[in-house]
Amino acid sequence: DIQMTQSPSAMSASVGDRVTITCRASQDISNYLAWFQQIPGKVPKRLIYSASSLQSGVPARFSGSGSGTEFTLTISSLQPEDFATYYCLQHNSYPFTFGPGTKVDIK
Amino acid sequence: EVQLVESGGGLVQPGGSLRLSCAASGFTFRDYVMHWVRQAPGKGLDCISAISGTGGTTFYAESVKGRFTISRDNSKNTLYLQMGSLRAEDMAVYYCARGGTGDPLDPWGQGTLVTVSS
Repeated sequence: DIQMTQSPSAMSASVGDRVTITCRASQDISNYLAWFQQIPGKVPKRLIYSASSLQSGVPARFSGSGSGTEFTLTISSLQPEDFATYYCLQHNSYPFTFGPGTKVDIK
Repeated sequence: EVQLVESGGGLVQPGGSLRLSCAASGFTFRDYVMHWVRQAPGKGLDCISAISGTGGTTFYAESVKGRFTISRDNSKNTLYLQMGSLRAEDMAVYYCARGGTGDPLDPWGQGTLVTVSS
């Protein structure tokens, strides 16, 4: 199975900050990378798929980039509702695999 | 509206078995790959199994291979996960989710909790 890593594992940020999370795959996955947001007690929500395609209804402050083995999720201006855990997912081959998550909390 | 509703979770003893179901509505079920994803308490997300639209191809994570079986009944628009030889580390919320390589894991069900304890 393809292994996924994320950095950082946790971070503190303020409202209005620009936040960048990195995800790396253990092998080339082309652009088959998605990002999910999970608020405690809630079902995970897809933000981005195919590395840079924004899910319908997701605010434009979220963006994704990368290809091959290195990817980034950027939140251009962090909002109060964005404090959550973010997971990357490779959707190149089955079974899909998630990264370990990045928890973004309030500074 | 696309909807996925899991059921079948509960308390089971170590070594026991349980079958989860996921009822799908609002889309042509047979056209989609379906997945089971789990989340242990306080832990991350783990894709444990997937099945093709016809049911003819299945995939498993190493952690459940040989103990869990994924299946589907396209006439009933229902996905299943038969879990056996359950261990404490299988305790988790189990979600079903729709989607293949081009449109992964959207939407998700609300989840069903499996507790493994004596």
